[in-house]
Amino acid sequence: SQKIEQNSEALNIQEGKTATLTCNYTNYSPAYLQWYRQDPGRGPVFLLLIRENEKEKRKERLKVTFDTTLKQSLFHITASQPADSATYLCALVPFYGQNFVFGPGTRLSVLP
Amino acid sequence: DAGVIQSPRHEVTEMGQEVTLRCKPISGHNSLFWYRQTMMRGLELLIYFNNNVPIDDSGMPEDRFSAKMPNASFSTLKIQPSEPRDSAVYFCASSLSGWDREDEKLFFGSGTQLSVL
Repeated sequence: SQKIEQNSEALNIQEGKTATLTCNYTNYSPAYLQWYRQDPGRGPVFLLLIRENEKEKRKERLKVTFDTTLKQSLFHITASQPADSATYLCALVPFYGQNFVFGPGTRLSVLP
Repeated sequence: DAGVIQSPRHEVTEMGQEVTLRCKPISGHNSLFWYRQTMMRGLELLIYFNNNVPIDDSGMPEDRFSAKMPNASFSTLKIQPSEPRDSAVYFCASSLSGWDREDEKLFFGSGTQLSVL
């Protein structure tokens, strides 16, 4: 069966450091992989999308990599700030249809 | 744009009662999704519509759940009768589905926190 895992339930890092979050999947061949941010009491907010034939994508302090051989995506936040503290979710997008499948999320805390 | 609007924000009801959750998608979006989020199971897709037509309802837990989209600007998710295990946050999301799949990012509402006692 399809399975999506995100490296850990919670991740604490010091302000200014780079946060690295992992999304691993099995029994799935996505066309895209998306990353979302979710704050407490709010719905997820789209951050970045990367295609299955792209290796890397950047947006400001965010960087996403996608390795379809390893079935893994890495999400990096450089020069992290306390305002980056939130839960980050990866979502797999199929080639056909819109059955977006979300990972369980990683709760990131950036400590001042 | 006001974004995706869901109501009510919170709903507390007793077991056996009917619950109706409402959603207004972003104007111009042609796909609408209902998700449920719990600590145990994370974010699960219940059903999605494209151009007001239900495309995949395989995530709907059982016959007690039903969803409708009578027009492009309104959708409901109904639970009848409700049970304590239905307690969760229910999210509605919309997106613009077209040739360029990079447009298919989901815009979520703020969710409805449902508690069934």
